[in-house]
Formats: sequence, structure tokens, C-alpha cells
Amino acid sequence: GESVGLHLPTLSVQEGDNSIINCAYSNSASDYFIWYKQESGKGPQFIIDIRSNMDKRQGQRVTVLLNKTVKHLSLQIAATQPGDSAVYFCAENTNTGGFKTIFGAGTRLFVKA
Amino acid sequence: NAGVTQTPKFRILKIGQSMTLQCTQDMNHNYMYWYRQDPGMGLKLIYYSVGAGITDKGEVPNGYNVSRSTTEDFPLRLELAAPSQTSVYFCATQQGTWSFFGQGTRLTVV
Repeated sequence: GESVGLHLPTLSVQEGDNSIINCAYSNSASDYFIWYKQESGKGPQFIIDIRSNMDKRQGQRVTVLLNKTVKHLSLQIAATQPGDSAVYFCAENTNTGGFKTIFGAGTRLFVKA
Repeated sequence: NAGVTQTPKFRILKIGQSMTLQCTQDMNHNYMYWYRQDPGMGLKLIYYSVGAGITDKGEVPNGYNVSRSTTEDFPLRLELAAPSQTSVYFCATQQGTWSFFGQGTRLTVV
């Protein structure tokens, strides 16, 4: 069945370093891939998305890379800050009978000062 | 502009009790969703709605019901609460590929 999964459950980085969070997906028919950030006690918040016909998209301090050959998605955070500490979810979105978003299990990012 | 508002924030239910989790939005989005998030896990889709009067099952609909009489409101009903329904419940709307989430309802069934 469809699944979106993450390679690592936790990631610890030093403040100022770059972070890379990885994600594997299995549904090659997905239209969009999205990254969400969830801080403790809050709902997920949209960070960045990438359409399935793209391989890279950049935002403010974040870059998402999509490798459709190996069905792999990554989120790169430049100059990681303490405020980046959160759980990050990748998700895939298919527009079949309404947008349905399937979420992965999440990676917890710890930023060490 | 409140976005997506969920009530209550916390609730403890006894096995077999029923309750309704409320969700309301003021963004005039057609798409609305209910997810549950178990500890250390991602979000699983319970039910979704593409507009008023239309609802459909997600991945884990058993034990839940929804209704969508207006664009703004999308309540989630638990009829016979079970310990397996202990979770954090998130309501969300969607515009394009972006989902907007409420703050969640933490439900414990004992």
C-alpha cells in the first residue's frame, strides 16, 4: 500500500550546522511532496512543498530535494538554529477525489547550543 | 482571523462514553480533514470532506463519524470510546497543497 517513511527517528545537530532530514516514499503517482514542522504541543505547520515534476526547490534557509528514481525526498536546513528543534514530517499529496495527504512517521530534530 | 479552532483542548473519557470533537474554520476552505496522532507517530487520516454535505473515509475511520453541514464546521463524533482511541486529534483545512492545522485535542480513554 501507500507509505511515506523516514530513515531516522531522531537527528541531533550543532547550532549553526546544516541539517539533512531524509524521507522515502512508495507512491510514484503522488502529485506533491510536502514538509511540515511540528513544535511541541502544536499542530504541524507547512514549511515547503515540491511538485513531482521538479527535483529541487529552495525557500528561506530550507531546500527540498526530490529524487524520483529512488523515491527519496530530503529537507536541508541551513545554519540550524535552536528554534528549528521540532519534529519534521514529510508527506505526499495526491489529488484523487480530493486532496489526500499521507504523512510519514516524523524525525525529531535536536539542536545543540 | 482565527484559522482552524478545535475544542476541547483536553478530554478524559471513560470506556463506552461518547463525545464530539469540534472543529471550525474561518478561511472558507472547502477541504477539511481529521487526523489522529499516536505518540511518536505520524498523522493518520480518519475522515475528510471536500465540501459541505460531502464526507469520505480516510485510513482509520472505524469508531468515528463526521458531518459537514456547513463550510465552517466539521465535527468528529466518537460513539463508544475505546482505549485504542487515546490519541491527539488534529483538524485541518487545505488550500492547494497547504494544510492548516488546529492546535489539537488530546483525548484519553480510561
